[in-house]
Amino acid sequence: KNEVEQSPQNLTAQEGEFITINCSYSVGISALHWLQQHPGGGIVSLFMLSSGKKKHGRLIATINIQEKHSSLHITASHPRDSAVYICAVSYGKLTFGQGTILTVHP
Amino acid sequence: GAVVSQHPSWVICKSGTSVKIECRSLDFQATTMFWYRQFPKQSLMLMATSNEGSKATYEQGVEKDKFLINHASLTLSTLTVTSAHPEDSSFYICSARGLAGGDGRHNEQFFGPGTRLTVL
Repeated sequence: KNEVEQSPQNLTAQEGEFITINCSYSVGISALHWLQQHPGGGIVSLFMLSSGKKKHGRLIATINIQEKHSSLHITASHPRDSAVYICAVSYGKLTFGQGTILTVHP
Repeated sequence: GAVVSQHPSWVICKSGTSVKIECRSLDFQATTMFWYRQFPKQSLMLMATSNEGSKATYEQGVEKDKFLINHASLTLSTLTVTSAHPEDSSFYICSARGLAGGDGRHNEQFFGPGTRLTVL
């Protein structure tokens, strides 16, 4: 079993829909990261969380340390949100989930 | 956020040659830099961790004599793929962690845009 599990692996949505991507982990962590990778490959760090909730624009990330679970929400999704979203946990080094491929259709 | 650059963004080389990839932190001092490799449709895999001025720590299964890492300054780390083979073709990504301002983000990693290596 992987230390970091994401669901779903693939997600297709219509523009405007509310999107949730989930991440579960099995190890003790110091922080959890949500990353975005576009088709060109470059990675952008969206959030780093150690507790609670963070919001940036249309993106919201939450974490429940006791349940070892985090969610990334996208409100009013747009085709430009199409990308791979990666959850990574930090305990000295980063361990990555397998990613969620999000496609938002106009 | 802080900016990390990589050069080149893509490179094609012949089998048996060596390729150097640079990773630079442009607006902060990176005490630690990480090198990752990503194969198509797979997640990132950590290759090695380098701290400025000391030898890199390689992950299990990564040949240190093949993937030479130098972190000579707080803003530059290099990865040299020596005697490259077609199976080394991959997407190489660096990240940097350091004292990114005074906003408590010093534990955050900032990723470079990646370098796509193709070995013919």
